[in-house]
Amino acid sequence: DIVMTQSPDSLAVSLGERATINCKSSQSVLYSSNNENHLVWYQQKPGQPPKLLIYWASTRESGVPDRFSGSGSGTDFTLTISSLQAEDVAVYYCQQYYSTPYTFGQGTKLEIK
Amino acid sequence: QVQLVESGGGVVQPGRSLRLSCAASGFSFSSFAIHWVRQAPGKGLEWVAAISYDGSSKYYADSVKGRFTISRDNSKNTLYLQMNSLRGEDTAVYHCAREYCGGDCKNLDYWGQGTLVTVSS
Repeated sequence: DIVMTQSPDSLAVSLGERATINCKSSQSVLYSSNNENHLVWYQQKPGQPPKLLIYWASTRESGVPDRFSGSGSGTDFTLTISSLQAEDVAVYYCQQYYSTPYTFGQGTKLEIK
Repeated sequence: QVQLVESGGGVVQPGRSLRLSCAASGFSFSSFAIHWVRQAPGKGLEWVAAISYDGSSKYYADSVKGRFTISRDNSKNTLYLQMNSLRGEDTAVYHCAREYCGGDCKNLDYWGQGTLVTVSS
């Protein structure tokens, strides 16, 4: 199984500042057939299901604000929020969909400093 | 609009069985793979199982393999999760989610609100 490890476990950032969350996979999730990384980022707020933010490691889902961006390839990935807004307080998860089981990272709790 | 609505959760004793349902609407259900993902209270997300658009392929997490069975009825736009030999560690909110893989492969783009399963004596 591919193990997904996020860092940090929690993060406090001031409003308007940059937030960075990292995700590392135990093996590459780069799909050779389409040269895409099968890695997604979700945002989950209390009492709600996860919301897809980023797929293929760096493609923003329709309707997601452009302050959210994803980067990385192979085994190392980053979710960046360029200017933190109050509504971005949530838990963020990465997930690989390269091979089953489609494992998640443990989550990163993002709060306002 | 795309909707996924889970049902069937509740309190069940260890060792007993429960069947969850996920009713889909607003899209062509028979064209999409669907997944189950669970979340224990206060914990992270755990992928449970997936089924292909036509039901011919099924995949399971090791933690549920041999105890849980995923199935679907495309004539009823409904997904199921038969859970047998339930354990305390199966206590969680169970979400169904649609896998989108058209031109882009987005993985799980729509999720239901979930149904709570509590395994307790």
